[in-house]
Amino acid sequence: DAKTTQPNSMESNEEEPVHLPCNHSTISGTDYIHWYRQLPSQGPEYVIHGLTSNVNNRMASLAIAEDRKSSTLILHRATLRDAAVYYCILRGTNAGKSTFGDGTTLTVKP
Amino acid sequence: NAGVTQTPKFRILKIGQSMTLQCTQDMNHNYMYWYRQDPGMGLKLIYYSVGAGITDKGEVPNGYNVSRSTTEDFPLRLELAAPSQTSVYFCASSGLVGAAGEKLFFGSGTQLSVL
Repeated sequence: DAKTTQPNSMESNEEEPVHLPCNHSTISGTDYIHWYRQLPSQGPEYVIHGLTSNVNNRMASLAIAEDRKSSTLILHRATLRDAAVYYCILRGTNAGKSTFGDGTTLTVKP
Repeated sequence: NAGVTQTPKFRILKIGQSMTLQCTQDMNHNYMYWYRQDPGMGLKLIYYSVGAGITDKGEVPNGYNVSRSTTEDFPLRLELAAPSQTSVYFCASSGLVGAAGEKLFFGSGTQLSVL
Protein backbone atom coordinates (compact mmCIF):
# COMPACT_ATOMS: atom_id res chain seq x y z
CA ASP A 1 0.00 0.00 0.00
CA ALA A 2 1.27 3.47 -0.89
CA LYS A 3 2.41 5.45 2.12
CA THR A 4 2.47 9.15 2.91
CA THR A 5 5.02 11.29 4.73
CA GLN A 6 4.06 14.39 6.71
CA PRO A 7 5.96 16.67 9.09
CA ASN A 8 5.30 15.84 12.72
CA SER A 9 4.25 19.37 13.65
CA MET A 10 3.68 22.85 12.28
CA GLU A 11 2.80 26.20 13.78
CA SER A 12 0.76 29.03 12.40
CA ASN A 13 -0.49 32.39 13.51
CA GLU A 14 -4.21 33.02 13.69
CA GLU A 15 -5.77 34.48 10.53
CA GLU A 16 -2.73 33.58 8.42
CA PRO A 17 -2.72 30.94 5.67
CA VAL A 18 -1.36 27.50 6.47
CA HIS A 19 0.20 25.09 3.98
CA LEU A 20 0.39 21.50 5.18
CA PRO A 21 2.59 19.30 2.96
CA CYS A 22 2.29 15.60 2.21
CA ASN A 23 4.65 13.42 0.20
CA HIS A 24 3.38 10.28 -1.52
CA SER A 25 6.10 9.34 -3.98
CA THR A 26 4.78 5.79 -4.54
CA ILE A 27 1.23 6.87 -5.40
CA SER A 28 -0.47 4.86 -8.12
CA GLY A 29 -2.64 6.25 -10.89
CA THR A 30 -5.88 5.18 -9.21
CA ASP A 31 -5.07 6.46 -5.70
CA TYR A 32 -7.15 9.33 -4.37
CA ILE A 33 -5.50 11.77 -1.93
CA HIS A 34 -7.65 12.31 1.15
CA TRP A 35 -7.18 14.70 4.08
CA TYR A 36 -8.78 14.28 7.48
CA ARG A 37 -8.35 16.17 10.70
CA GLN A 38 -8.80 15.14 14.30
CA LEU A 39 -9.70 17.71 16.90
CA PRO A 40 -8.73 16.92 20.51
CA SER A 41 -10.78 14.07 21.99
CA GLN A 42 -12.81 13.59 18.81
CA GLY A 43 -12.91 11.18 15.91
CA PRO A 44 -11.31 12.18 12.62
CA GLU A 45 -13.40 14.24 10.23
CA TYR A 46 -13.17 14.57 6.48
CA VAL A 47 -11.57 17.72 5.08
CA ILE A 48 -11.07 17.29 1.35
CA HIS A 49 -9.94 14.83 -1.30
CA GLY A 50 -8.83 14.80 -4.92
CA LEU A 51 -7.39 12.66 -7.70
CA THR A 52 -5.47 14.87 -10.12
CA SER A 53 -6.88 18.39 -10.15
CA ASN A 54 -6.77 20.98 -7.38
CA VAL A 55 -9.91 21.03 -5.25
CA ASN A 56 -11.63 23.68 -3.16
CA ASN A 57 -14.37 23.39 -0.58
CA ARG A 58 -15.66 25.49 2.28
CA MET A 59 -13.03 24.12 4.67
CA ALA A 60 -9.84 24.14 2.63
CA SER A 61 -8.07 23.81 -0.70
CA LEU A 62 -6.05 20.88 -1.96
CA ALA A 63 -3.16 21.52 -4.32
CA ILE A 64 -1.85 18.39 -6.09
CA ALA A 65 1.53 18.40 -7.78
CA GLU A 66 1.58 17.69 -11.49
CA ASP A 67 3.39 14.38 -10.97
CA ARG A 68 1.04 13.61 -8.03
CA LYS A 69 3.95 12.69 -5.79
CA SER A 70 3.07 15.40 -3.32
CA SER A 71 0.12 17.51 -2.25
CA THR A 72 -0.57 20.47 0.01
CA LEU A 73 -3.58 21.19 2.17
CA ILE A 74 -4.23 24.91 2.35
CA LEU A 75 -6.18 26.55 5.15
CA HIS A 76 -6.72 30.06 3.90
CA ARG A 77 -7.14 31.80 7.27
CA ALA A 78 -6.26 29.67 10.27
CA THR A 79 -8.42 30.00 13.36
CA LEU A 80 -7.85 28.61 16.83
CA ARG A 81 -10.46 25.97 16.03
CA ASP A 82 -8.21 24.64 13.26
CA ALA A 83 -5.69 23.37 15.81
CA ALA A 84 -5.78 19.62 15.21
CA VAL A 85 -3.88 16.64 13.85
CA TYR A 86 -4.11 16.55 10.05
CA TYR A 87 -3.82 13.24 8.24
CA CYS A 88 -3.04 12.75 4.56
CA ILE A 89 -3.95 9.26 3.32
CA LEU A 90 -4.20 7.49 -0.01
CA ARG A 91 -7.25 5.46 -0.94
CA GLY A 92 -6.88 3.18 -3.93
CA THR A 93 -8.35 0.10 -5.56
CA ASN A 94 -8.25 -1.72 -2.22
CA ALA A 95 -10.24 1.06 -0.56
CA GLY A 96 -10.93 -1.17 2.41
CA LYS A 97 -7.32 -1.10 3.46
CA SER A 98 -7.21 2.63 4.22
CA THR A 99 -4.25 3.20 6.52
CA PHE A 100 -3.21 6.33 8.40
CA GLY A 101 0.20 7.62 9.42
CA ASP A 102 0.88 9.80 12.46
CA GLY A 103 -0.22 13.04 10.78
CA THR A 104 0.83 16.64 11.35
CA THR A 105 -0.06 18.38 14.59
CA LEU A 106 -1.02 21.96 13.75
CA THR A 107 -0.72 24.56 16.49
CA VAL A 108 -2.40 27.91 15.89
CA LYS A 109 -1.13 30.83 17.93
CA PRO A 110 -3.36 33.80 18.73
CA ASN B 1 -28.94 12.13 10.93
CA ALA B 2 -26.97 9.80 13.23
CA GLY B 3 -24.11 8.74 10.90
CA VAL B 4 -21.76 6.28 12.65
CA THR B 5 -22.70 5.39 16.23
CA GLN B 6 -20.37 3.61 18.65
CA THR B 7 -21.21 2.16 22.03
CA PRO B 8 -20.09 2.24 24.76
CA LYS B 9 -18.14 5.50 24.98
CA PHE B 10 -16.00 4.31 27.89
CA ARG B 11 -15.25 0.92 29.34
CA ILE B 12 -12.85 -0.55 31.88
CA LEU B 13 -12.04 -4.24 31.57
CA LYS B 14 -10.05 -6.59 33.74
CA ILE B 15 -7.30 -8.65 32.16
CA GLY B 16 -8.80 -11.76 30.58
CA GLN B 17 -12.33 -10.41 30.25
CA SER B 18 -14.10 -10.22 26.92
CA MET B 19 -16.33 -7.57 25.41
CA THR B 20 -17.90 -6.41 22.18
CA LEU B 21 -17.62 -2.87 20.87
CA GLN B 22 -20.70 -1.97 18.89
CA CYS B 23 -20.76 0.08 15.70
CA THR B 24 -23.75 0.89 13.53
CA GLN B 25 -24.21 3.24 10.58
CA ASP B 26 -27.40 4.50 8.95
CA MET B 27 -25.95 5.66 5.61
CA ASN B 28 -26.27 2.31 3.80
CA HIS B 29 -22.48 2.21 3.41
CA ASN B 30 -20.87 -0.98 2.20
CA TYR B 31 -17.42 -0.36 3.66
CA MET B 32 -16.86 -0.37 7.40
CA TYR B 33 -13.62 -0.19 9.39
CA TRP B 34 -12.24 -0.53 12.88
CA TYR B 35 -9.22 1.50 13.96
CA ARG B 36 -7.37 1.82 17.24
CA GLN B 37 -5.45 4.88 18.37
CA ASP B 38 -2.87 4.74 21.13
CA PRO B 39 -2.00 7.98 22.97
CA GLY B 40 -0.14 10.46 20.79
CA MET B 41 -0.17 8.12 17.81
CA GLY B 42 -2.02 7.81 14.52
CA LEU B 43 -4.79 5.36 13.71
CA LYS B 44 -4.04 1.70 13.07
CA LEU B 45 -6.45 -0.38 10.99
CA ILE B 46 -7.65 -3.49 12.83
CA TYR B 47 -10.24 -5.01 10.47
CA TYR B 48 -12.38 -3.84 7.61
CA SER B 49 -15.41 -5.09 5.71
CA VAL B 50 -16.45 -4.42 2.13
CA GLY B 51 -19.98 -5.68 2.63
CA ALA B 52 -22.21 -7.98 4.64
CA GLY B 53 -20.51 -11.33 5.14
CA ILE B 54 -17.08 -10.12 4.00
CA THR B 55 -14.31 -9.11 6.40
CA ASP B 56 -10.54 -8.85 6.15
CA LYS B 57 -7.57 -8.15 8.38
CA GLY B 58 -5.91 -4.77 8.63
CA GLU B 59 -2.55 -3.84 10.15
CA VAL B 60 -3.11 -5.01 13.74
CA PRO B 61 -5.78 -7.77 13.86
CA ASN B 62 -4.31 -9.98 16.60
CA GLY B 63 -6.52 -10.28 19.66
CA TYR B 64 -9.66 -9.12 17.86
CA ASN B 65 -12.51 -10.64 15.88
CA VAL B 66 -15.23 -9.10 13.74
CA SER B 67 -18.40 -10.13 11.98
CA ARG B 68 -20.65 -8.38 9.47
CA SER B 69 -24.06 -9.99 9.31
CA THR B 70 -25.88 -6.82 8.21
CA THR B 71 -24.97 -3.73 6.22
CA GLU B 72 -25.57 -1.51 9.25
CA ASP B 73 -23.60 -3.25 11.99
CA PHE B 74 -19.92 -4.11 12.40
CA PRO B 75 -19.14 -5.26 15.97
CA LEU B 76 -15.57 -5.71 17.21
CA ARG B 77 -14.97 -8.52 19.68
CA LEU B 78 -12.10 -8.56 22.17
CA GLU B 79 -11.34 -11.98 23.60
CA LEU B 80 -9.10 -12.30 26.66
CA ALA B 81 -8.42 -8.58 27.04
CA ALA B 82 -4.79 -7.55 27.64
CA PRO B 83 -3.27 -4.25 28.84
CA SER B 84 -1.83 -3.76 25.34
CA GLN B 85 -5.39 -3.35 24.09
CA THR B 86 -5.87 -0.19 26.13
CA SER B 87 -6.63 2.34 23.43
CA VAL B 88 -9.32 4.48 21.80
CA TYR B 89 -11.26 2.55 19.17
CA PHE B 90 -12.86 4.25 16.18
CA CYS B 91 -15.34 2.78 13.77
CA ALA B 92 -15.73 4.29 10.30
CA SER B 93 -17.76 3.72 7.17
CA SER B 94 -17.68 4.76 3.52
CA GLY B 95 -19.80 4.28 0.45
CA LEU B 96 -19.26 1.86 -2.42
CA VAL B 97 -19.70 3.90 -5.58
CA GLY B 98 -16.22 5.04 -6.61
CA ALA B 99 -14.96 3.52 -3.39
CA ALA B 100 -11.52 5.14 -3.31
CA GLY B 101 -13.09 8.53 -3.89
CA GLU B 102 -15.66 8.11 -1.14
CA LYS B 103 -14.95 9.90 2.11
CA LEU B 104 -14.67 8.14 5.45
CA PHE B 105 -17.19 8.90 8.20
CA PHE B 106 -16.00 8.25 11.75
CA GLY B 107 -17.77 7.56 15.00
CA SER B 108 -16.90 9.39 18.21
CA GLY B 109 -14.85 6.53 19.60
CA THR B 110 -14.78 4.08 22.50
CA GLN B 111 -12.13 4.62 25.17
CA LEU B 112 -11.10 1.24 26.55
CA SER B 113 -8.85 0.59 29.52
CA VAL B 114 -7.66 -2.90 30.42
CA LEU B 115 -6.37 -3.14 33.98
